[in-house]
Amino acid sequence: GAGVSQSPSNKVTEKGKDVELRCDPISGHTALYWYRQRLGQGLEFLIYFQGNSAPDKSGLPSDRFSAERTGESVSTLTIQRTQQEDSAVYLCASSLPGLAQYFGPGTRLTVL
Amino acid sequence: GQQLNQSPQSMFIQEGEDVSMNCTSSSIFNTWLWYKQEPGEGPVLLIALYKAGELTSNGRLTAQFGITRKDSFLNISASIPSDVGIYFCAGCGSSNTGKLIFGQGTTLQVKP
Repeated sequence: GAGVSQSPSNKVTEKGKDVELRCDPISGHTALYWYRQRLGQGLEFLIYFQGNSAPDKSGLPSDRFSAERTGESVSTLTIQRTQQEDSAVYLCASSLPGLAQYFGPGTRLTVL
Repeated sequence: GQQLNQSPQSMFIQEGEDVSMNCTSSSIFNTWLWYKQEPGEGPVLLIALYKAGELTSNGRLTAQFGITRKDSFLNISASIPSDVGIYFCAGCGSSNTGKLIFGQGTTLQVKP
């Protein structure tokens, strides 16, 4: 497929467990973004990658959140010791520098 | 921080009617984007605007980048039932990271 893909599509976890969310960007897109969308809300920026570097991590809500990108391709968002307030849809987007971002379908995270 | 005010919050219209929604910002944006999101999916890019004053169409959709660079509108002409969804504006400001600030969304319902 030519679009951004994310996995898993749904994740249910227990409070206190760690989770990993994966994003495969559009091939050739050097910029990659993670956003969070709470129910009925707009999207909140979490982190931006240019290549494998993350020059802007300003949206990560706490040190329980981290992300990495390898091979200028796949990115993983990790949430440690999940809390109920982490429940949301986590969306990944990719773009060419300075151009519009294209989003994946998201991962719906539910923390019980 | 930068904020976007999107209005109206929701619209319920008759098929065939025209629709208009807009976003205003507390600060200048360099890029305005309009997305549509349907339940369980990621946002889909509708129109991208890169220059102040730019007016761009995509089928029945027309969007403009305000001359002050602090606002944008989206018009949908002759609405049809498949236009139903949540429409988001998003702006990219002065940072060189491409981070998007999103509006809260306009929920559109179309009565056949």
